[in-house]
Amino acid sequence: QKEVEQNSGPLSVPEGAIASLNCTYSDRGSQSFFWYRQYSGKSPELIMFIYSNGDKEDGRFTAQLNKASQYVSLLIRDSQPSDSATYLCAVNPGGFKTIFGAGTRLFVKA
Amino acid sequence: EPEVTQTPSHQVTQMGQEVILRCVPISNHLYFYWYRQILGQKVEFLVSFYNNEISEKSEIFDDQFSVERPDGSNFTLKIRSTKLEDSAMYFCASSTTGGGEYNSPLHFGNGTRLTVT
Repeated sequence: QKEVEQNSGPLSVPEGAIASLNCTYSDRGSQSFFWYRQYSGKSPELIMFIYSNGDKEDGRFTAQLNKASQYVSLLIRDSQPSDSATYLCAVNPGGFKTIFGAGTRLFVKA
Repeated sequence: EPEVTQTPSHQVTQMGQEVILRCVPISNHLYFYWYRQILGQKVEFLVSFYNNEISEKSEIFDDQFSVERPDGSNFTLKIRSTKLEDSAMYFCASSTTGGGEYNSPLHFGNGTRLTVT
């Protein structure tokens, strides 16, 4: 069974701090990795995707991938209260199916 | 920015009734999907659809479920005889690529909240 694991949280950070969200996956052959943000009652919204080992930056967000350790992370710099949401790690192990983690709840305190 | 649209936003039905959930994927996307999320649980894959046929389906997607692309724009999910446990948020998604080693992100619609009573 292919799995994506995340700490459910909640992760609480003060406004302006860096939030660090982590994810591990079980299928070593996976090549496509995604981070989505989901507000309560809403649909997942794509934040970033990454395919290669290393870091990928987009504005305040940095995705980090380490395929040898089967580990993906998302850093949010200068966290804002509006970043408070559930962050979903998602992995496509090849094929048509994308597998989602249960999500980490982030609270950014003003 | 182009988006996936879903209708209705809410659907209440009685157990045993048929429901059809509708979606209009992003126009230049070729791969279409249905996912569901039971309240408080993970987003779960149901089915993918490419080139007018199912390309992959999960164990959840049994004979009570079917998908169709009746015209060039709509993509539907039918649940033939709903059960209480079908109550969930159903998300349609589309993508530009799929089925390969490197796949493009899913773009989700706003979802249909299905309540079976």
